[in-house]
Amino acid sequence: DADVTQTPRNRITKTGKRIMLECSQTKGHDRMYWYRQDPGLGLRLIYYSFDVKDINKGEISDGYSVSRQAQAKFSLSLESAIPNQTALYFCATSDLGTGLSDTQYFGPGTRLTVL
Amino acid sequence: LAKTTQPISMDSYEGQEVNITCSHNNIATNDYITWYQQFPSQGPRFIIQGYKTKVTNEVASLFIPADRKSSTLSLPRVSLSDTAVYYCLVGDAPSSASKIIFGSGTRLSIRP
Repeated sequence: DADVTQTPRNRITKTGKRIMLECSQTKGHDRMYWYRQDPGLGLRLIYYSFDVKDINKGEISDGYSVSRQAQAKFSLSLESAIPNQTALYFCATSDLGTGLSDTQYFGPGTRLTVL
Repeated sequence: LAKTTQPISMDSYEGQEVNITCSHNNIATNDYITWYQQFPSQGPRFIIQGYKTKVTNEVASLFIPADRKSSTLSLPRVSLSDTAVYYCLVGDAPSSASKIIFGSGTRLSIRP
């Protein structure tokens, strides 16, 4: 979805390096999420934020941190990257809208390789 | 948290109707059923959402029986471009977005 952008799209780094993945959205949504996806598997939630002052851990937050700089921006950091963090990372946004269950809109993904 | 079970993979041919069934025996009263589609190296894309009976949009139909313990995503007249992974999710607004789990999904392959 072009309304959700992620940078960089691809990144190769070395073990121990600090890495930041950025997500921006123009949908005006309050809720933002970070997921990782490993080959052949579904998405797993890392962190989520329901508004600028709200940060929550997801299923697999260890080794990651996030920052919600503004409603439109949500960054994911790997403080000291390790090889098993090699994965495809997705940012998503959602809004309660009409009251239906959250529909999430995903960015194009960032492919991260940790050597 | 309602767990979902769906087939790992399915094959079909262009022009056929494809039905993917998802089981969610522990669905709660407030839970909605949502389906997403994911192409390789892309983020999932919302297809359809429903609570009960039948929902239809320009892409698919969603059939939900009265007991809501399962649901069926129906794709009419599939084409090669429908080859993707399809995820069935169950959850309720507003707080469960964080608890919604994308399982392994159903890998649908469409052949000419």
